[in-house]
Amino acid sequence: AQSVTQLGSHVSVSEGALVLLRCNYSSSVPPYLFWYVQYPNQGLQLLLKYTSAATLVKGINGFEAEFKKSETSFHLTKPSAHMSDAAEYFCAVSDLAAGNKLTFGGGTRVLVKP
Amino acid sequence: EPEVTQTPSHQVTQMGQEVILRCVPISNHLYFYWYRQILGQKVEFLVSFYNNEISEKSEIFDDQFSVERPDGSNFTLKIRSTKLEDSAMYFCASTRDANEQYFGPGTRLTVT
Repeated sequence: AQSVTQLGSHVSVSEGALVLLRCNYSSSVPPYLFWYVQYPNQGLQLLLKYTSAATLVKGINGFEAEFKKSETSFHLTKPSAHMSDAAEYFCAVSDLAAGNKLTFGGGTRVLVKP
Repeated sequence: EPEVTQTPSHQVTQMGQEVILRCVPISNHLYFYWYRQILGQKVEFLVSFYNNEISEKSEIFDDQFSVERPDGSNFTLKIRSTKLEDSAMYFCASTRDANEQYFGPGTRLTVT
């Protein structure tokens, strides 16, 4: 079975500082990996995805993530945090053999301090 | 930009009652999903639906749950006899190519 672990349920960063959200996965097959963001009282919005092409993936709002097979990781970064980045972020892995269902990590809530 | 919509945004029901949560997926999408998120917990997969039948379901999706695409546009999740532990946010998602899933804003279900 696939699983996703996000280290840190809460992260606090200063405006302008680096944002780093950690995600590790387990999968018996080459994975498709995703980062979603959830703003208060809204649904899940796709930030970026890895689908076996380039290992460094760029997404919306200045975010990017790097797939490292040897470390089974897919960490999300943004060089300079903005107040609007305050949200909850979810890492997910897709099970291509099971209707492409997504298995999510526990989420990381980001607080941006002025 | 097309989006997935869900109604109602909040549903309150009494234990033992039936509820139907409604979703309108993006019009040219072919794969449909329901997920739920109990307060403070992970987003969990419930069921996937393709070509008018369930393609995958989780252990959570027992006989009390059913899904339907009654008219080619709506996608519904029915819970026949709600329990307190069914209280959660329910998200609908759809995708055209079984790859990138687009999520709706969710329905918050409160069972009292």
